[in-house]
Amino acid sequence: AQSVTQLGSHVSVSEGALVLLRCNYSSSVPPYLFWYVQYPNQGLQLLLKYTTGATLVKGINGFEAEFKKSETSFHLTKPSAHMSDAAEYFCAVTMSGASKIIFGSGTRLSIRP
Amino acid sequence: DSGVTQTPKHLITATGQRVTLRCSPRSGDLSVYWYQQSLDQGLQFLIQYYNGEERAKGNILERFSAQQFPDLHSELNLSSLELGDSALYFCASSTTGGIAGAYNEQFFGPGTRLTVL
Repeated sequence: AQSVTQLGSHVSVSEGALVLLRCNYSSSVPPYLFWYVQYPNQGLQLLLKYTTGATLVKGINGFEAEFKKSETSFHLTKPSAHMSDAAEYFCAVTMSGASKIIFGSGTRLSIRP
Repeated sequence: DSGVTQTPKHLITATGQRVTLRCSPRSGDLSVYWYQQSLDQGLQFLIQYYNGEERAKGNILERFSAQQFPDLHSELNLSSLELGDSALYFCASSTTGGIAGAYNEQFFGPGTRLTVL
C-alpha cells in the first residue's frame, strides 16, 4: 500500500524567503512522486515529478524537489517566495502501471509581504 | 489550461436528488479519472475509464456511477445525494490507461463544485 504524509497544513513565509514544504511517503515498490499546485477555484497543476533517474527534479515556477529514498521524503523547495506562490500544494504518489494517484492532505502556502 | 473541460462549474441541489457531471478529456487521451475533493476526506480517487471500459475503482460509493462514451467524454452520476457529498469533483485524463513500466501523466480539469443543501 502507498501513502503520503504532508507535514504542516499551513505554512507562512515572507516574500523572498525560502519555501520548504515537507512530504514523506510510504511505498513497498519504487514510487513515482509528484507535487501539484492548486490555485483558488482552479484545478490541479503538475509542478514537478520524479519517476526514475536524477533524484533532484526541477519544476515550473522555480520549484524543485529531491527524492531521498533513505528518508522516504520528497520535500518541495523554492529559494525565494513570490506572492504569486500562494496556493495549496499537494504531494502525491503512485507506482508503475497504477491508475490512481494517492494524494497527501495538502499544505496551504501563504506569503507575507 | 490543461485541455480537460468539465461542466457545470457549480451545481447546487437538494438531498435525495440526482446529478450528472460531465468531463471532456484532452484531445487524444483515452483515459478519464474522477476524483473527489472534500474538506474531511481530502482528494480521493473514485474511478477510471479507459477507452470506454472501467479500468480501476477507488473509494466510489454505490450511489455513484460513471461511464465513458464512444467519443471519450465521461459522465459521473451521483444519486440519492447527501449533505456529505458536497465536494469538488475533478476529472483528469491521460494518454493511456496504466501500463506496467510507465507513468501516465494525468491532466486535471477545473472541477465541478457540488453543493447539496
